[in-house]
Amino acid sequence: QVQLVESGGGVVQPGRSLRLSCAASGFSFRHFGMHWVRQAPGKGLEWVALIWYDGAKKYYADSVRGRFTISRDSSTRTVYLEMNSLRAEDTAVYYCAREGSGYDSVDYWGQGTLVTVSS
Amino acid sequence: QLVLTQPPSASASLGASVKLTCTLSSGHSSYAIAWHQQRPDKGPRFLMKLNSDGSHNKGDGIPDRFSGSSSGAARYLTISSLQSEDEADYHCHTWGSGTYLVFGGGTKLTVL
Repeated sequence: QVQLVESGGGVVQPGRSLRLSCAASGFSFRHFGMHWVRQAPGKGLEWVALIWYDGAKKYYADSVRGRFTISRDSSTRTVYLEMNSLRAEDTAVYYCAREGSGYDSVDYWGQGTLVTVSS
Repeated sequence: QLVLTQPPSASASLGASVKLTCTLSSGHSSYAIAWHQQRPDKGPRFLMKLNSDGSHNKGDGIPDRFSGSSSGAARYLTISSLQSEDEADYHCHTWGSGTYLVFGGGTKLTVL
């Protein structure tokens, strides 16, 4: 079965960096685009970034463009989110999610990892 | 601008049915959406993709109690025979093909 397992969250000071990982299993990883989506405490879901199935294109929300970088490694079936210049408003649970086949809707989610940006 | 609007809350009694709404902004009534369920302190779970004509494709293991329909810019999720485990937040989203996601604000469903 499809599994997405995030890791790398924690408490970090404003202005510092953190890298999140998402380990994928149970499907043909190299054939699917992957998203990062976040949820601030008590708030709704906010899209963060997308990487195409082959890594050829990457897209970012305006709120993170220039600070966050999404990448993937097909040999380890892992998606990454490198987060730099972190701000208090980046505090959230970060989920990785699979894009459905053919640039379709999200169809699987991970359980999330909490990032807290605080001094 | 592409916006999805959801009422912040809904409630219905155990065993009854409830119809949740997600409305696409003007000019976007042909877009498909997807519904996701998020139980307390859990990650979201994909329920279904819902097209503008009301056809839908459900995720793995989603019970028949969950169904979708469409009318104009509105997309609906109907849950019948409500159970206590259906108490959750329900999120809708749409997407630009291979470029971005847009989420509604979510609806908190209370089962009375």
